[in-house]
Amino acid sequence: GDSVTQMEGPVTLSEEAFLTINCTYTATGYPSLFWYVQYPGEGLQLLLKATKADDKGSNKGFEATYRKETTSFHLEKGSVQVSDSAVYFCALTRDTGRRALTFGSGTRLQVQP
Amino acid sequence: DAGITQSPRHKVTETGTPVTLRCHQTENHRYMYWYRQDPGHGLRLIHYSYGVKDTDKGEVSDGYSVSRSKTEDFLLTLESATSSQTSVYFCAISEGGGKNEQFFGPGTRLTVL
Repeated sequence: GDSVTQMEGPVTLSEEAFLTINCTYTATGYPSLFWYVQYPGEGLQLLLKATKADDKGSNKGFEATYRKETTSFHLEKGSVQVSDSAVYFCALTRDTGRRALTFGSGTRLQVQP
Repeated sequence: DAGITQSPRHKVTETGTPVTLRCHQTENHRYMYWYRQDPGHGLRLIHYSYGVKDTDKGEVSDGYSVSRSKTEDFLLTLESATSSQTSVYFCAISEGGGKNEQFFGPGTRLTVL
């Protein structure tokens, strides 16, 4: 079945550092890929998405590119802020059937001033 | 923000009691989902609905049932709560029809003693 693997956290960075959170997936065909962010005590917010190979999703300075050849969707940001501290989830879904999300286990990011 | 509310937001109950969680949406989206979030597991699908009175099981459905009698409401019932069902429960909605991103409610923290 489908699965998503994320790098273990926590990831601790200083403000203005470069961020990469790795995400790889196992799925047949061409799923849609997502990054969600969860701030403490809140629900998940959609951060960005990509629906086909080589698509780049971007939002709030975050980017991720759908790489079919490496089955990856790594999240990047050039300069993190303290306010980016949160848990980040990589997920996939399909356009048919139940359309439920398959999540990675999440990566906690801590940004220090 | 998508119009999704969950009630209650917090609940403490005892083993063996029935519990019902409510998800209410104002977006008229077709698909609704219940996930549970546990440390180290990301979010896992409990049940989902693809229309009024149309529901199906997810990966962790044992001990749970759902009902959807109106487009806007999706109820999750723990028939006889157990300590292993202590978790944070999230409802999500999706429009379908090629728009497969999901939007999440604020969550319900359930503690079973």
